[in-house]
Amino acid sequence: GAGVSQSPSNKVTEKGKDVELRCDPISGHTALYWYRQSLGQGLEFLIYFQGNSAPDKSGLPSDRFSAERTGGSVSTLTIQRTQQEDSAVYLCASSPDDGYTFGSGTRLTVV
Amino acid sequence: RKEVEQDPGPFNVPEGATVAFNCTYSNSASQSFFWYRQDCRKEPKLLMSVYSSGNEDGRFTAQLNRASQYISLLIRDSKLSDSATYLCVVSLSGTYKYIFGTGTRLKVLA
Repeated sequence: GAGVSQSPSNKVTEKGKDVELRCDPISGHTALYWYRQSLGQGLEFLIYFQGNSAPDKSGLPSDRFSAERTGGSVSTLTIQRTQQEDSAVYLCASSPDDGYTFGSGTRLTVV
Repeated sequence: RKEVEQDPGPFNVPEGATVAFNCTYSNSASQSFFWYRQDCRKEPKLLMSVYSSGNEDGRFTAQLNRASQYISLLIRDSKLSDSATYLCVVSLSGTYKYIFGTGTRLKVLA
């Protein structure tokens, strides 16, 4: 596609439920990143993929968070047993080398 | 100390004014620098890369001062459409991970 596509754009879930967030990067971009942005906060790095492997998962806040990427393309970020502090906008970006292109994000609200 | 620090603002300026933002970074090994723009409830978009020699793109000028570890963004002849949050971004040499500042809010007033 022309840009980075994320789905769903909005997700409201009950505390304790699992959610899956999807990212479809720009075709040909080997690097893929997940960030999250809480209200009034800066972007917080979560995980980086190069192809299908994740050399850096250091930003994942807890073991409730996991991510995978298949076929060097689509990535899924899974949050298990969601908590209210997980409420944020989850942004995916892809990159060839220099400069990220972000998707429009998934706004997650845990109630 | 935060890795990337910015004055959160808001900077309220009249149309046509010139406004400048600074950003400081803590890691002297930082090699890549960018300014991103983020509109309310939208994703960040790359505004410009910042090169050692400084660079200009229309009304926007970016400068890098490695000795003092700061980068700047100058906007000339401000337009209403320039109202947004400007994010300072740095990346360490040989890494992919971008470190974002929390942003500086600009409001251009009619």
